[in-house]
Amino acid sequence: ETGVTQTPRHLVMGMTNKKSLKCEQHLGHNAMYWYKQSAKKPLELMFVYNFKEQTENNSVPSRFSPECPNSSHLFLHLHTLQPEDSALYLCASSQPTEYNSPLHFGNGTRLTVT
Amino acid sequence: AQKITQTQPGMFVQEKEAVTLDCTYDTSDPSYGLFWYKQPSSGEMIFLIYQGSYDQQNATEGRYSLNFQKARKSANLVISASQLGDSAMYFCAMREGPGGSEKLVFGKGTKLTVNP
Repeated sequence: ETGVTQTPRHLVMGMTNKKSLKCEQHLGHNAMYWYKQSAKKPLELMFVYNFKEQTENNSVPSRFSPECPNSSHLFLHLHTLQPEDSALYLCASSQPTEYNSPLHFGNGTRLTVT
Repeated sequence: AQKITQTQPGMFVQEKEAVTLDCTYDTSDPSYGLFWYKQPSSGEMIFLIYQGSYDQQNATEGRYSLNFQKARKSANLVISASQLGDSAMYFCAMREGPGGSEKLVFGKGTKLTVNP
């Protein structure tokens, strides 16, 4: 069982819907991330939270709204998305005080916007 | 400019043979770390191996080893004795700066297919 759990695994939503992606990590890490993976493109960093504080917002449109209530949970709230937002959304965690600490990823949420 | 370049969109290898996946990187920071990840069709990104810029020896982890050539800024992944389960996408990634810098920048990946 992965130490980083994402729900749901698949999500289909219309452009006017509001939905949320959830991520939970059981690794005791203090940094959490959202990445977007589109077809034939490198993984794109969206947001970084370090000790519950947002430390990175990589020019992400406001229709994506992250929330990090504690070091173990991370949400991505979605509203009025566009079809080009369809992608695999990956959550990850790491221990930021350890330089060689890899990111541990969840299985991702495959999002389809219709 | 791309920070991480993986020039091989796809690679094929026979089962039980070795394969090398290329990765070159671009940084002016003397302190950095390089990571390789495997992504099967299920979607999860699996960490394979890490190489620090100050490490004196090439990293090894089971059947995975890293051919680290610092002057050439390359960090190629070598998979020995390929198995059918090795078929997946492989991503090279880099973290720049001293400890506390959290971001990983990824390459576009290489799709590896292991043939029986």
